[in-house]
Amino acid sequence: NAGVTQTPKFQVLKTGQSMTLQCAQDMNHEYMSWYRQDPGMGLRLIHYSVGAGITDQGEVPNGYNVSRSTTEDFPLRLLSAAPSQTSVYFCASSYGTGHPLNTEAFFGQGTRLTVV
Amino acid sequence: SQQGEEDPQALSIQEGENATMNCSYKTSINNLQWYRQNSGRGLVHLILIRSNEREKHSGRLRVTLDTSKKSSSLLITASRAADTASYFCATPGAGSYQLTFGKGTKLSVIP
Repeated sequence: NAGVTQTPKFQVLKTGQSMTLQCAQDMNHEYMSWYRQDPGMGLRLIHYSVGAGITDQGEVPNGYNVSRSTTEDFPLRLLSAAPSQTSVYFCASSYGTGHPLNTEAFFGQGTRLTVV
Repeated sequence: SQQGEEDPQALSIQEGENATMNCSYKTSINNLQWYRQNSGRGLVHLILIRSNEREKHSGRLRVTLDTSKKSSSLLITASRAADTASYFCATPGAGSYQLTFGKGTKLSVIP
């Protein structure tokens, strides 16, 4: 009963490095999304996907890329890490009849990223 | 931009007391959701209330929704130390695929 699994849990990057945050879900959810959480800012949507092959930008997409080749996986790529990308990143998935946001979202445990 | 805003930002109560937190939002919605986040963990869904509902209960939780005032409240009755967490409201805008969160209310329940 894994739900939404994020890896790694912690990561330290140097400025300019690139990396991929992994997210996988085993609930056959069509909708997946990435958020970042910063102190005092709540959760902000980075990118989302309504199904395999379909992605779209959220509120804060700059500096991040996503792809969705399968229903299960939704990786988030940092192209050239910057200190401003230091944050906690959460992946979420949901499935709703008629609309994916008509039901609860399931969250992963988060990836704490520090860019130095 | 933030759709929902919780109030208060922080709340400290004694165990056994009730805790009430509020959420205001800006645009029309299909539903409003409440989530809990324990320190250092992911968010956990608590309750979803649809736009045609006025009140919903789940265990010790009671959620109300007033679409005319664009506001919702979450009441936790007979609080426990384990209720210590941050609570967020989230709203998908009508026709939107984006679920937007408020900044949260940090609840501390003192044993």
